[in-house]
Amino acid sequence: EAGVTQSPTHLIKTRGQQATLRCSPISGHTSVYWYQQALGLGLQFLLWYDEGEERNRGNFPPRFSGRQFPNYSSELNVNALELEDSALYLCASSPRTVAKNIQYFGAGTRLSVL
Amino acid sequence: AQSVAQPEDQVNVAEGNPLTVKCTYSVSGNPYLFWYVQYPNRGLQFLLKYITGDNLVKGSYGFEAEFNKSQTSFHLKKPSALVSDSALYFCAVRDGERINKFYFGSGTKLNVKP
Repeated sequence: EAGVTQSPTHLIKTRGQQATLRCSPISGHTSVYWYQQALGLGLQFLLWYDEGEERNRGNFPPRFSGRQFPNYSSELNVNALELEDSALYLCASSPRTVAKNIQYFGAGTRLSVL
Repeated sequence: AQSVAQPEDQVNVAEGNPLTVKCTYSVSGNPYLFWYVQYPNRGLQFLLKYITGDNLVKGSYGFEAEFNKSQTSFHLKKPSALVSDSALYFCAVRDGERINKFYFGSGTKLNVKP
């Protein structure tokens, strides 16, 4: 069974540009989560999508947005990039069943903003 | 407000010795607690969780964690460390109200020396 896949592995952008990150969840998982892992700050919750809808978002500005497609894959878009957006962006998926509670993570996309 | 604290940025232990990685939490309602491990250039992998029941939880790779309600702690332990255990460890707590929102600690780097 394939795990959570993220693309690209690395992304280099300049200030003011837009970045698009992609995530494919494990087959059968309907929930997708996005996290930002900046150096020394642990994982910061960004967004949660389920069944195509944004269900919750963390304390990030509106220039962080995304969507979930009918096949449950997801995109994270970051507009007007700033230097401090440089981080590892992790995607996780889970079944919607509450009892599971476990998230399965991809290897991440490392975004560098120059 | 929900939060997780990992007071040690780094833990050093010799191979064969017991290890402890500390985690304290703050949560409203019943705590749902998790430990994840991250190897270099990889996503997070689930180790173990506490939902209810015995305070000592056993997980993958010989790890266990002890839930202590009075001290609001959930320390990760292993009786005999291996060099291959060297990685970044994250403690996480699930939001008591918003069931699919998770809070992660800042991570503890475990170094196991031969």
